[in-house]
Amino acid sequence: AQKVTQAQTEISVVEKEDVTLDCVYETRDTTYYLFWYKQPPSGELVFLIRRNSFDEQNEISGRYSWNFQKSTSSFNFTITASQVVDSAVYFCALSEAGSGYALNFGKGTSLLVTP
Amino acid sequence: KAGVTQTPRYLIKTRGQQVTLSCSPISGHRSVSWYQQTPGQGLQFLFEYFSETQRNKGNFPGRFSGRQFSNSRSEMNVSTLELGDSALYLCASGEGPWATEAFFGQGTRLTVV
Repeated sequence: AQKVTQAQTEISVVEKEDVTLDCVYETRDTTYYLFWYKQPPSGELVFLIRRNSFDEQNEISGRYSWNFQKSTSSFNFTITASQVVDSAVYFCALSEAGSGYALNFGKGTSLLVTP
Repeated sequence: KAGVTQTPRYLIKTRGQQVTLSCSPISGHRSVSWYQQTPGQGLQFLFEYFSETQRNKGNFPGRFSGRQFSNSRSEMNVSTLELGDSALYLCASGEGPWATEAFFGQGTRLTVV
């Protein structure tokens, strides 16, 4: 059975602080895909990143970075120098090989960035 | 390129009624998946279609059904609505058969009264 845990329900930071959102997953498959999505108040889920289980390289995209560690089954997301526009709910998700686009989402972490 | 379009955006229905929601994927995308989002249960997978075939199904009762047409547009139907079906229903579009980037629509907010 697959499972995604985002232990942080809510995080509040002041603008320009760095913040890390944790994601721990469980799966028996050796081939799987991990995702991060952002959901602003408008409700639409915005795709941020996809990683497959064979690619443990960390990824950096502007102020965003992701740390994938198979040894600890974690796929953490860091926002550097946070901005008010980063305020949203962030979801981590897992899809096992053969499951197509059937994503298993974590409960999400609500991030509030205040000026 | 137009994004994923879901219609209607908002819907109010009465218990016992049925409802049909529509999703038009990004042009060229052949996969459509559906999710239910509620405050209590979070985001839950309903079903996924690829080239008109249902490939995966989540753990929902048979009142929830869907289909995909030859133009990749998809509809989901909920029959005999219950209060607990009130949720944001999100549709995602994917290009190939494997889980690459899935792009979501803005959702349909269903309220059952």
